[in-house]
Amino acid sequence: DIQMTQSPSSLSASVGDRVTITCRASQITDSYLNWYQQKVGKAPKLLIHSASNVQSGTPSRFSGSGSGTDFMLTISNLQPEDFATYYCQQSYTTVLTFGGGTKVEIK
Amino acid sequence: EVQLVESGGALIKAGGSLRLSCAGTGFTFENAWMSWVRQAPGKGLEWVGRIKSKLDGGTIDYAPPVKGRFTISRDDSRNMVHLQMNSLKTGDSAMYYCTIDQYYYGSGDHYWPEHWGQGTLVTVSS
Repeated sequence: DIQMTQSPSSLSASVGDRVTITCRASQITDSYLNWYQQKVGKAPKLLIHSASNVQSGTPSRFSGSGSGTDFMLTISNLQPEDFATYYCQQSYTTVLTFGGGTKVEIK
Repeated sequence: EVQLVESGGALIKAGGSLRLSCAGTGFTFENAWMSWVRQAPGKGLEWVGRIKSKLDGGTIDYAPPVKGRFTISRDDSRNMVHLQMNSLKTGDSAMYYCTIDQYYYGSGDHYWPEHWGQGTLVTVSS
């Protein structure tokens, strides 16, 4: 199975900050990389699919980039509602795998 | 509006069996690829398995930790997908989410969970 490693595992940031989360795959995944946001007590929500395609309804301050094994999720101008845990997930192989998550907390 | 509602979660002893169900509304169920994803308390997300639409062959795939113990099935006449879980272990304790998957035929099939239900909680005690 492809292992997904996210960094950092947590970060503290302020409203208005620019935040970057990285995700590394143990083998090439082309651009089959997706990002999810999960708030406490809620189901995950798809933000970005195929590395850089913003899902309908996702605010424009969220963007994704990368290909191969290295990917990034960027949140520009962090808003109060963005404090949550973010997961990357590869869909290159039949067996889907997720990163361990990055918790974005208020500084 | 797309809606998924899971049910069937319970407290059960290790070695036991449980059947989870997921009812879908607001979309063409028979065309949907559906997955189950679980999340142990305080932990990350883990894909459990996926069933394709019958139109796309109805293929079912499982994550290695559950293969041979869990079975996914679908009833398109009732717009439901089920997860039969046998030989349960304490490590199977989790919130179980049902998802509708986006899929793409590139060099092979590629799919990812798009819409998620609110989940149903399974607790396996020793």
